[in-house]
Amino acid sequence: AQSVTQLGSHVSVSEGALVLLRCNYSSSVPPYLFWYVQYPNQGLQLLLKYTSAATLVKGINGFEAEFKKSETSFHLTKPSAHMSDAAEYFCAVSSGYSSASKIIFGSGTRLSIRP
Amino acid sequence: NAGVTQTPKFQVLKTGQSMTLQCAQDMNHEYMSWYRQDPGMGLRLIHYSVGAGITDQGEVPNGYNVSRSTTEDFPLRLLSAAPSQTSVYFCASSYEGKPEAFFGQGTRLTVV
Repeated sequence: AQSVTQLGSHVSVSEGALVLLRCNYSSSVPPYLFWYVQYPNQGLQLLLKYTSAATLVKGINGFEAEFKKSETSFHLTKPSAHMSDAAEYFCAVSSGYSSASKIIFGSGTRLSIRP
Repeated sequence: NAGVTQTPKFQVLKTGQSMTLQCAQDMNHEYMSWYRQDPGMGLRLIHYSVGAGITDQGEVPNGYNVSRSTTEDFPLRLLSAAPSQTSVYFCASSYEGKPEAFFGQGTRLTVV
């Protein structure tokens, strides 16, 4: 079985500060990992994905995440927060290409940006 | 490309009523899924399909039915709505060769 734990349901940072959103996963097979972003009243948009290639993954809007197998983590970072980054962020896991229909999501982290 | 289209965007039902949430994709994706989103619980998988004529249950299937008669459409049926089904519902699609899912804009359902 697979699962995802996101640490912190709400994170608040100042504009220009480092953004760090934490995600730990559990999987009995090599995982595929994702970060999605959801802006208010919208659907989910893929930020980035890990598919067993490079462990440091770069995504859209300046975000990146590092896959650490020893720590079973896939934390999301951005060096300098922007007001437009305020949204809810979801970490997710699946077991492979043929399982794309069965992506398991974490509970989400709401990111607030202080002026 | 329209992508994944969900209708309606908003719906209010009375307890015991039935309705169908529509989902259509124009990307010829094999895989389609339904999720519900509740505060503090992320997205939970209701049902999914790996191709026309093939469906299976996810984490929270009770109270919901699905069918997949065509590649494009994957409707979600609530047979007898209950207040516990008040939620935001998302449809998603994906295809062999890409591990991620593409999401619709959601349907906000309230059952009173």
